[in-house]
Amino acid sequence: DVKVTQSSRYLVKRTGEKVFLECVQDMDHENMFWYRQDPGLGLRLIYFSYDVKMKEKGDIPEGYSVSREKKERFSLILESASTNQTSMYLCASKRDGRSTGELFFGEGSRLTVL
Amino acid sequence: AQSVTQLDSQVPVFEEAPVELRCNYSSSVSVYLFWYVQYPNQGLQLLLKYLSGSTLVKGINGFEAEFNKSQTSFHLRKPSVHISDTAEYFCAVSDRPAGNTGKLIFGQGTTLQVKP
Repeated sequence: DVKVTQSSRYLVKRTGEKVFLECVQDMDHENMFWYRQDPGLGLRLIYFSYDVKMKEKGDIPEGYSVSREKKERFSLILESASTNQTSMYLCASKRDGRSTGELFFGEGSRLTVL
Repeated sequence: AQSVTQLDSQVPVFEEAPVELRCNYSSSVSVYLFWYVQYPNQGLQLLLKYLSGSTLVKGINGFEAEFNKSQTSFHLRKPSVHISDTAEYFCAVSDRPAGNTGKLIFGQGTTLQVKP
């Protein structure tokens, strides 16, 4: 089975801190995604990557950056955390963009910014 | 641009009753459609998907969905729900073909609350 692992399930940070959310997948998938989940808003795409060192902005990239130095790892970075970034963050992977296969999700990282 | 609207934010239903969760989408191109489920404190997992062919799609746990192109809908149904079906359900759409990104656009989610 495909496994997508997010390094931290729960984090509490202070305003202005730099935050790293790590995601690793073990099935050699090309595509990886970071979504943000908020009540009543569903999942909104922050950034995605379709290859190593390649990244594209999603619908809400402001305040975030990403890094993909290795195929299996996709990191989400909050350079200076703010209270409005308190949310659930979900990482997902997919074999490649051309496939019709599903997205595989991690269990999520719940971030609270005080 | 694509969008997905889930018409109900919460659906309460008694155990063993039928349920329908509604989803409408808008897109200028042909699409793939998906339903995902999220159980408490877990990530999302795929329930079912429509890619092409028969408009009635069967998924896991007894769920099914019907693609209606003229009404741009993809409603999810189950004839008899169980307490364990209590979860949040997300409808999602992607372009067909998906290009080199394969990204999905998600709806707002519907919380299914099954009562004993």
